[in-house]
Amino acid sequence: DTAVSQTPKYLVTQMGNDKSIKCEQNLGHDTMYWYKQDSKKFLKIMFSYNNKELIINETVPNRFSPKSPDKAHLNLHINSLELGDSAVYFCASSQDHSNQPQHFGDGTRLSIL
Amino acid sequence: DQQVKQNSPSLSVQEGRISILNCDYTNSMFDYFLWYKKYPAEGPTFLISISSIKDKNEDGRFTVFLNKSAKHLSLHIVPSQPGDSAVYFCAASEAGFQKLVFGTGTRLLVSP
Repeated sequence: DTAVSQTPKYLVTQMGNDKSIKCEQNLGHDTMYWYKQDSKKFLKIMFSYNNKELIINETVPNRFSPKSPDKAHLNLHINSLELGDSAVYFCASSQDHSNQPQHFGDGTRLSIL
Repeated sequence: DQQVKQNSPSLSVQEGRISILNCDYTNSMFDYFLWYKKYPAEGPTFLISISSIKDKNEDGRFTVFLNKSAKHLSLHIVPSQPGDSAVYFCAASEAGFQKLVFGTGTRLLVSP
């Protein structure tokens, strides 16, 4: 029974397209995150939401728009995709936004042609 | 600006021996540290954490040591098992601020 699930697992698309990645957690956690792992394997935070409210937004282009319809879901919509957006995107969740371990999904590999 | 560094990209150890993975950090505001394990095509899995008020935390075969003055932490795995072969990431965050900063990872290979 997957705790943090992301769909799709793989996403191949053309430059300029708009795409969404969905994330759901069944852990009852209040806080959710999006991370990006680039080609050099750096894993960097992009956004964090606590109870549907944005609490971290790390210098991410405004082509990226997270949306949290409820605290169990945090989706990532990307407009006008660029070659540099190719990466693995990980969703994560934690109990709250204090010092608690974050639990990760298996990632979505986005490839831009 | 790499605030969390894992200077060894890889480590090979024989089954049954100790694995020691190292991590250095530069931000003195970090006060919560974690280790994650990652298998290919999977997300990072939380292993063990330590807060800055402690210098050691144990969980089964895994022990994390924190040396605040040296800004250094290490993960000891004893005894190492082939199933421990994975990439290990060190991560850190500032007090009450859940922005994890990750190192670049160390690939551990445990051979039978």
